[in-house]
Amino acid sequence: GNSVTQMEGPVTLSEEAFLTINCTYTATGYPSLFWYVQYPGEGLQLLLKATKADDKGSNKGFEATYRKETTSFHLEKGSVQVSDSAVYFCALLFSGSGNTGKLIFGQGTTLQVKP
Amino acid sequence: DTGVSQDPRHKITKRGQNVTFRCDPISEHNRLYWYRQTLGQGPEFLTYFQNEAQLEKSRLLSDRFSAERPKGSFSTLEIQRTEQGDSAMYLCASSLAATQATNEKLFFGSGTQLSVL
Repeated sequence: GNSVTQMEGPVTLSEEAFLTINCTYTATGYPSLFWYVQYPGEGLQLLLKATKADDKGSNKGFEATYRKETTSFHLEKGSVQVSDSAVYFCALLFSGSGNTGKLIFGQGTTLQVKP
Repeated sequence: DTGVSQDPRHKITKRGQNVTFRCDPISEHNRLYWYRQTLGQGPEFLTYFQNEAQLEKSRLLSDRFSAERPKGSFSTLEIQRTEQGDSAMYLCASSLAATQATNEKLFFGSGTQLSVL
């Protein structure tokens, strides 16, 4: 079936450190891939997306590249800030979703950035 | 754009009681989704509406669960005879349907946290 696996957290970094959160997926067909972020007390927000192989999604200094050969979509940021502390969810939309926004999420990775 | 709002934020109930949650989507959005999120897991799809029509229900949605969107605006999710396993965060999201699913952007509410004692 279709699924998403993320690295377990929490990930604790110092400000200005480099961030990688690993995400791998299993899917039939050609899924689209997303990263959502959930700040404390708020709803999930779309951070970035990529819709086909080798696409790179980017937003707010975060990047992720859709790697079909390794079925991965790792999230990276060159220099994290305290304000990036949140829970990050990798998600996919598989081609059999019936043209809906029905997403399949990973379990989430908590990022804590210390000053 | 006031965002997606959910009410209540927290609900504590005893096993066997019925509970109802409400979701108010962004006003011009024609699609509305319900997801459930248990501790340490990502959200799981439950059901979605296009306007007032409920178009899909997950197998996770047992017959104790019912969702409505009577006028294509707000939605309610009712759980009858609650069980401890129903304890979770219930998330609502709304969107404008797009010609391509990948262009559809979901806006999530902050969720209703249900605790069944």
